Amino acid sequence: SAVISQKPSRDICQRGTSLTIQCQVDSQVTMMFWYRQQPGQSLTLIATANQGSEATYESGFVIDKFPISRPNLTFSTLTVSNMSPEDSSIYLCSVDPGNTEAFFGQGTRLTVV
Amino acid sequence: GENVEQHPSTLSVQEGDSAVIKCTYSDSASNYFPWYKQELGKRPQLIIDIRSNVGEKKDQRIAVTLNKTAKHFSLHITETQPEDSAVYFCAASAGGYQKVTFGIGTKLQVIP
Repeated sequence: SAVISQKPSRDICQRGTSLTIQCQVDSQVTMMFWYRQQPGQSLTLIATANQGSEATYESGFVIDKFPISRPNLTFSTLTVSNMSPEDSSIYLCSVDPGNTEAFFGQGTRLTVV
Repeated sequence: GENVEQHPSTLSVQEGDSAVIKCTYSDSASNYFPWYKQELGKRPQLIIDIRSNVGEKKDQRIAVTLNKTAKHFSLHITETQPEDSAVYFCAASAGGYQKVTFGIGTKLQVIP
């Protein structure tokens, strides 16, 4: 199993600003994933973050809007840039520590006003 | 890419009855099918999973079946209890650290 610490747990931000979300894992993991869950919706993958290389983004998500860092095997950040109210969502990081189940951080509830 | 369809989107059952949620997937390379339960305001938690070399798996009141030929899998909850009320997501993955694709979710309400 993996224990994931994600912060902040929630934030209210002004439009046009940026927020960086951090995800810390208690063990080394190969892949880290960032998901967005809009209100009442399912989880949509934003990107996959590998250590030492650029993140791989899913269709509809771009690096300029959601830059990701992965400086080592236990940590990653997701930045939501130039925010608008449409970015209000829960953002979750996830890891697959051993090719088994995906474990999730507790999520970051973002509200953009 | 993978597409996972899930139904129903909402499901209400009387306490003690059974609940069934069905999912289909499109990518024949998918071989890992987890189910997650998400309570209000909380993160998704794995409740059961199945791999493609198994047709059925059971854990107390929860069971999952997989028909790889038809590309569908189902979650069965028996003797439902109010604490089973939550949103349930099915998902599919090709394993090997590949991404997990989620269904739209089923909001289950168990009526006492």
